[in-house]
Amino acid sequence: GNSVTQMEGPVTLSEEAFLTINCTYTATGYPSLFWYVQYPGEGLQLLLKATKADDKGSNKGFEATYRKETTSFHLEKGSVQVSDSAVYFCALSDLTGGSYIPTFGRGTSLIVHP
Amino acid sequence: DTGVSQDPRHKITKRGQNVTFRCDPISEHNRLYWYRQTLGQGPEFLTYFQNEAQLEKSRLLSDRFSAERPKGSFSTLEIQHTEQGDSAMYLCASSLMPGATDTQYFGPGTRLTVL
Repeated sequence: GNSVTQMEGPVTLSEEAFLTINCTYTATGYPSLFWYVQYPGEGLQLLLKATKADDKGSNKGFEATYRKETTSFHLEKGSVQVSDSAVYFCALSDLTGGSYIPTFGRGTSLIVHP
Repeated sequence: DTGVSQDPRHKITKRGQNVTFRCDPISEHNRLYWYRQTLGQGPEFLTYFQNEAQLEKSRLLSDRFSAERPKGSFSTLEIQHTEQGDSAMYLCASSLMPGATDTQYFGPGTRLTVL
């Protein structure tokens, strides 16, 4: 079956540091890939997505590139801010048995200190 | 844009009782999803609807779980004979576009505690 593996958290960084959150996936078809973010006390919201190999999704200074050869979709940001503190979820959506079934990773908590 | 709403936000019940949660999606969205999320885990897909049709329900956790979307607008998730293991956050999401690329908009969730 499909699966998403994220690096364990929490990831603790100082403001303006470089961020990488690793995500790898297993899928039987050609999935679309997503990063969702959950800020404290709020619901999940889409951060960025990529729908085919070599696509780069970007939003709010975050980027991730769909790497089919390594089955990865790592999230990066060049300079994090305190306001980026949140839980980040990597996810895929793949056609399984005629239905698009979303699969989420367990989430990676990011804590940014001033 | 009122977003996805869920009711109640918190539910405490005793083991063996039935509970029902409601989700109101964004008004023009025709796809609606239900998930369960336990502490330290990501959302676990349960079922989804395209308008009033339930297209996938094999991932519902047991036959105690059922969902409806009778008029293609709001949806309900019912858990019968609740067990302590059902304690979790239940999330609803909606989307506009069919297919793998659709962006899901999540509600705040209903936190269920089974005593």
